[in-house]
Amino acid sequence: QKEVEQNSGPLSVPEGAIASLNCTYSDRGSQSFFWYRQYSGKSPELIMSIYSNGDKEDGRFTAQLNKASQYVSLLIRDSQPSDSATYLCAPSEGTSYDKVIFGPGTSLSVIP
Amino acid sequence: SQTIHQWPATLVQPVGSPLSLECTVEGTSNPNLYWYRQAAGRGLQLLFYSVGIGQISSEVPQNLSASRPQDRQFILSSKKLLLSDSGFYLCAWSPGTGNTIYFGEGSWLTVV
Repeated sequence: QKEVEQNSGPLSVPEGAIASLNCTYSDRGSQSFFWYRQYSGKSPELIMSIYSNGDKEDGRFTAQLNKASQYVSLLIRDSQPSDSATYLCAPSEGTSYDKVIFGPGTSLSVIP
Repeated sequence: SQTIHQWPATLVQPVGSPLSLECTVEGTSNPNLYWYRQAAGRGLQLLFYSVGIGQISSEVPQNLSASRPQDRQFILSSKKLLLSDSGFYLCAWSPGTGNTIYFGEGSWLTVV
């Protein structure tokens, strides 16, 4: 059973702070990694994708990947109330790159 | 640009009734297609995925089925709904192996 684990929420941060979201996965064959944001009652939307070890920055978002540790994270700098949502970690399945397995999500609340 | 449409947006069905959810993708050809379900307060569960017409992979044995009668059409069906089938159903597509998955707006199903 391939598993994806995320730090339990809810995570609360003050406006302007850095939010750190963590994810570990069990499938050593995973090659593609995605972070999605899901507002309550809405469908998930892509925030970041990362394929190589290291950091990838896009505006206020930074994804970090360490395949040896089977760990991927998402940092949100200068957090805004509009960032309040559930964040889903989604690695591809190693044996079938057509499939993506989603973690349970971390609920983030940014306090004004 | 590519778009994905999913319908109906909401439906309330009695136990034992049939179900049909439809999804179409525009602006691309030969996409990978997916059906996910998200129960209340839970993560995304992959139900079916398809890499081509008539090619359906089932992830969870249950009373649901999927079909892909055309390249960009994906249908989720059931002959007899159970209470446990209630949830948020999401159709999604990707350009191919290892690529980002994009979601439709979702369908809220309540079985009563």
